[in-house]
Amino acid sequence: QQQVKQSPQSLIVQKGGISIINCAYENTAFDYFPWYQQFPGKGPALLIAIRPDVSEKKEGRFTISFNKSAKQFSLHIMDSQPGDSATYFCAASYLNAGNTGKLIFGQGTTLQVKP
Amino acid sequence: ETGVTQSPTHLIKTRGQQVTLRCSSQSGHNTVSWYQQALGQGPQFIFQYYREEENGRGNFPPRFSGLQFPNYSSELNVNALELDDSALYLCASSEDNTDTQYFGPGTRLTVL
Repeated sequence: QQQVKQSPQSLIVQKGGISIINCAYENTAFDYFPWYQQFPGKGPALLIAIRPDVSEKKEGRFTISFNKSAKQFSLHIMDSQPGDSATYFCAASYLNAGNTGKLIFGQGTTLQVKP
Repeated sequence: ETGVTQSPTHLIKTRGQQVTLRCSSQSGHNTVSWYQQALGQGPQFIFQYYREEENGRGNFPPRFSGLQFPNYSSELNVNALELDDSALYLCASSEDNTDTQYFGPGTRLTVL
C-alpha cells in the first residue's frame, strides 16, 4: 500500500513535443505529490508538486494533472527540449504529526528529447 | 542549488568496512532525511531525524545508523558493509511543518 507505480520506464520525444509520465498510488493518506528531475550524478531536484485538493497545477512548461478518485497523477512537459533529457521521479508522502513525511518514490522514467 | 551539501562525493570501501557519510542542511531546517538510491532505481527512505532524534525509519537493518547535530549537520553510518550497499546516498532537508524536501548532490559509495 506504500508503493507508487510509475510508467513508462523510458520515453523518447521529439523536440517541441509533449512528454507525459504517469504515476499511480494506493495509500489514500498521501497528501503531497511532488515530481523530481534528476541528471546523471546529481541529486533529485524538485520540479513541481501538487496536493489532492486541486486537479491541475501548472508551472511554466510543466503541468501536473491529478485524479483523486483514480489515485493517479501525471506530469506533462510541454514543448519538450533536449535540456529536459533526464530521469523523472514521481513521489508521494504525508505529514507525520507535523513532521515532514518520508517520500515514497516511483521507479523513474528516463526521458530523451531528440533535437 | 538547494543549499544542501554532502561529503565526500565518491567513496570506495571494501566489504566488512565501516563508512561515515556527511550532510549539511540548510540553516533553519530541523529535519533531515536519508535515502539510498541503487543504480536505475528510485530513492529508498532510510531514516529521518528531527532536532537530533530519530523520527522514522525505513526497511533498513540496524547497521545503518545516523546522527544529527545542532549545527544542521548530520551523518549516516553504515557498519559491516555489503556489496549491495553500493549506491548513491542522498540526504534531504526540510523546514518544520512542510512537505518540501531539498536534496543534496549525494555520495556515491562503491563497495568492493
